[in-house]
Amino acid sequence: DVKVTQSSRYLVKRTGEKVFLECVQDMDHENMFWYRQDPGLGLRLIYFSYDVKMKEKGDIPEGYSVSREKKERFSLILESASTNQTSMYLCASSFTIYNEQFFGPGTRLTVL
Amino acid sequence: KQEVTQIPAALSVPEGENLVLNCSFTDSAIYNLQWFRQDPGKGLTSLLLIQSSQREQTSGRLNASLDKSSGRSTLYIAASQPGDSATYLCAVRPNSGGYQKVTFGTGTKLQVIP
Repeated sequence: DVKVTQSSRYLVKRTGEKVFLECVQDMDHENMFWYRQDPGLGLRLIYFSYDVKMKEKGDIPEGYSVSREKKERFSLILESASTNQTSMYLCASSFTIYNEQFFGPGTRLTVL
Repeated sequence: KQEVTQIPAALSVPEGENLVLNCSFTDSAIYNLQWFRQDPGKGLTSLLLIQSSQREQTSGRLNASLDKSSGRSTLYIAASQPGDSATYLCAVRPNSGGYQKVTFGTGTKLQVIP
């Protein structure tokens, strides 16, 4: 079974802090994704990566950056956390962009 | 721009009932459609993936159908159980111009009452 893990289930940070969210997949998937999920807005794509060191912006990249130094690991970085970045963050991976996506358990981030 | 709608937003049924969840999309130029379930505070679990060339997919008590021309997919759950209680989401992948830009519905929250 595909396993996608995220570094934290719950995280509380203060405004202005730099925040790192880590995601690891164990199935040698090419593609990895970061979404945020908010009530009433559904899931929105922040960034995705189709190969090591390759990334593309999603629908809402502002205030975020990403890093993919190794195939199995995809990091989401909030350069200076703000309260409007309080959300559930979900990581996903897929073998190719045509295949089904597998999700991690999510990180509930609260920015105070 | 693709829009994906799931109606109703919430559904409550007695245990044992067969039920249908709906997913509508506005642009029929899709590559595939995926159904997920999400338990409270958790990530998404993939249930079924239907390619645009397929009409349906089955897994256990679940059956998903796809009618591209009418922009609809349904998820049929047979003999519902309390453990089926969760939010069910559908996600549509386009067949051009950004395969990564999957559009998700906002989900149907299902409660199965014992």
